[in-house]
Formats: sequence, C-alpha cells, structure tokens
Amino acid sequence: AQKITQTQPGMFVQEKEAVTLDCTYDTSDPSYGLFWYKQPSSGEMIFLIYQGSYDQQNATEGRYSLNFQKARKSANLVISASQLGDSAMYFCAMSRYVMDSNYQLIWGAGTKLIIKP
Amino acid sequence: DTGVSQDPRHKITKRGQNVTFRCDPISEHNRLYWYRQTLGQGPEFLTYFQNEAQLEKSRLLSDRFSAERPKGSFSTLEIQRTEQGDSAMYLCASRRVGQNDNSPLHFGNGTRLTVT
Repeated sequence: AQKITQTQPGMFVQEKEAVTLDCTYDTSDPSYGLFWYKQPSSGEMIFLIYQGSYDQQNATEGRYSLNFQKARKSANLVISASQLGDSAMYFCAMSRYVMDSNYQLIWGAGTKLIIKP
Repeated sequence: DTGVSQDPRHKITKRGQNVTFRCDPISEHNRLYWYRQTLGQGPEFLTYFQNEAQLEKSRLLSDRFSAERPKGSFSTLEIQRTEQGDSAMYLCASRRVGQNDNSPLHFGNGTRLTVT
C-alpha cells in the first residue's frame, strides 16, 4: 500500500543553518510524484517543490531542494540558509495517478520546524 | 495573481446546525478539490470537481456532506446536522490540468470549523 513516512515530528534549527526534513515513501506504482508543502500557523498549505519519479535531476526552487534517492525511496527536503519565516509544519506527499489526468495525494504526518533566532 | 480564497476563515456552530463554506479557486484552474484536516494530521481527500462535474467522492463524505460547483467557478461545501466530530480545518485547492498532469494543488487558507 502507498505510504509516506516523516520520522521527525519536530525539529529546532538555528537561524541561517541548513535544514533537512526526512521523507520516505512506499509504492509499487512505476510512475508517481513527490511534493512538499509548508503550512504556517495561519493554515494555508503552500506548495514548495515537486519531483517526478522519472526526473533524473533533483528538483530545486530557490532555497528549497529535494534530495531524491529513488533506490532508497526517500525524498528529503533541504532548506538552505534557514530564516525565521521558515517556522511551520512541513508535509511530504506522494501522488498516485488514478484516471483522467487526476491523482490522489497520500500525505505524511508532517514535521514541525522551529527556527531559533 | 489571486490565490484560492475561502470564506469564512472560522466558523463556530452548535451541534445539529447546518453550515456552508465557500471556495473561490484560481480563475484559470479547472479542477477544484475539498480536503479535511484534523490537528496533527495531513489533509484527507473529500471530493473534487472538473469544471462543474463532481467526479469523485471519498467515503469520508457522508450523506450529511454535499458539495456543489454550479457554474464551474466557485464551490460550496455544506454540512448538515453538524456533529462534534466534524470539527476540523476544511481546505479547498485548485489546479489546472492540461499538458502537465503533475501540476500541484494550490490551497486556500482553509475554514476552521468548531462544533460545540
């Protein structure tokens, strides 16, 4: 069965340090996508970065990069030079394609990241 | 670029009352999704629309829940005879499906429902 595991319920990191948030997944589908979302205390779920299962290069978006290791089934999020505004819940999600260009998202339990000044 | 808008942000209601939430997606997005999120959990899929057609409903969506997207633009989610277990954050998301099937969901700020 498809499953996303985020093993770090909470993390404290010093401002300006790099952060790695862990995500492992389990699927038997040959094609899937991996997403990271940020959810501040305000509640909005903000899309950060996407990696397709067939993408050869690791995805990068500004300070965010996705360390995709397909053989290990891991898709860790790396945030460089952390800022106070990075404090939030972070969710890893995997897409499972169903039909008609639609996918279902399977979500991890999230990691609460707190950046210390 | 206007994001996904949800109204209200917060709703407190008494058990047994009906509530309705509204979602305005990003204008060029043809797919609209409703999710429910309880504290400490990731979102759970409820239903989605392709334009005005409701294409899939989760088994989480009991008979007390109904969603509409009458003109293929905004959507409403109604909960009848609310129960305390309905207390959650209700998230709306939209995406544009075209050449790129991997387009991400864009979420609104959510409506936080508290049933007393």
